Amino acid sequence: QQQVKQSPQSLIVQKGGISIINCAYENTAFDYFPWYQQFPGKGPALLIAIRPDVSEKKEGRFTISFNKSAKQFSLHIMDSQPGDSATYFCAASKSNYQLIWGAGTKLIIKP
Amino acid sequence: SAVISQKPSRDICQRGTSLTIQCQVDSQVTMMFWYRQQPGQSLTLIATANQGSEATYESGFVIDKFPISRPNLTFSTLTVSNMSPEDSSIYLCSVGQDYNEQFFGPGTRLTVL
Repeated sequence: QQQVKQSPQSLIVQKGGISIINCAYENTAFDYFPWYQQFPGKGPALLIAIRPDVSEKKEGRFTISFNKSAKQFSLHIMDSQPGDSATYFCAASKSNYQLIWGAGTKLIIKP
Repeated sequence: SAVISQKPSRDICQRGTSLTIQCQVDSQVTMMFWYRQQPGQSLTLIATANQGSEATYESGFVIDKFPISRPNLTFSTLTVSNMSPEDSSIYLCSVGQDYNEQFFGPGTRLTVL
């Protein structure tokens, strides 16, 4: 019940395309869903996060879509750029800072 | 968000030795955490560093192997003791701020020979 399942494991997208990464969770007590971006040799950086009282949050080219009934949330990267090539992690927590992490998605944007 | 630094950024150590990793934050924070990340893998929480009391360890991690200090609200250390090659990993500290947000340091890349 504590798991967060992330897919796909890796993703290749053409420059200018839309990158979509999906996560699913079981525990309905989760109330905070962040996405992190990690470049090689760096720590994860908080990219965008959502709480279950909204179905979508957009920040620039990055959008989280949240489906509470399906217990799924996804990250959409519009107009994907080579600089977006990184590993993306979804996570979930229960308002106690204990993040349950997805396995990660390695995203490659082809020029 | 808080600015977090870690020392050292990387190290190569011999088995059987210990390494202490420092985490410094530019502002006072209540919550500090230590994670381990194997190359190409997700993050695993080692422990929560509590100021003024013993750290809270996750299943599979023990104080004798990973002693943690938290002398104040801006600093913490993680020691990896009696190292073996299996301890080769990236060690990350993070801080918790408002609304459950966690921010990470740059990490310490440890190689044990």
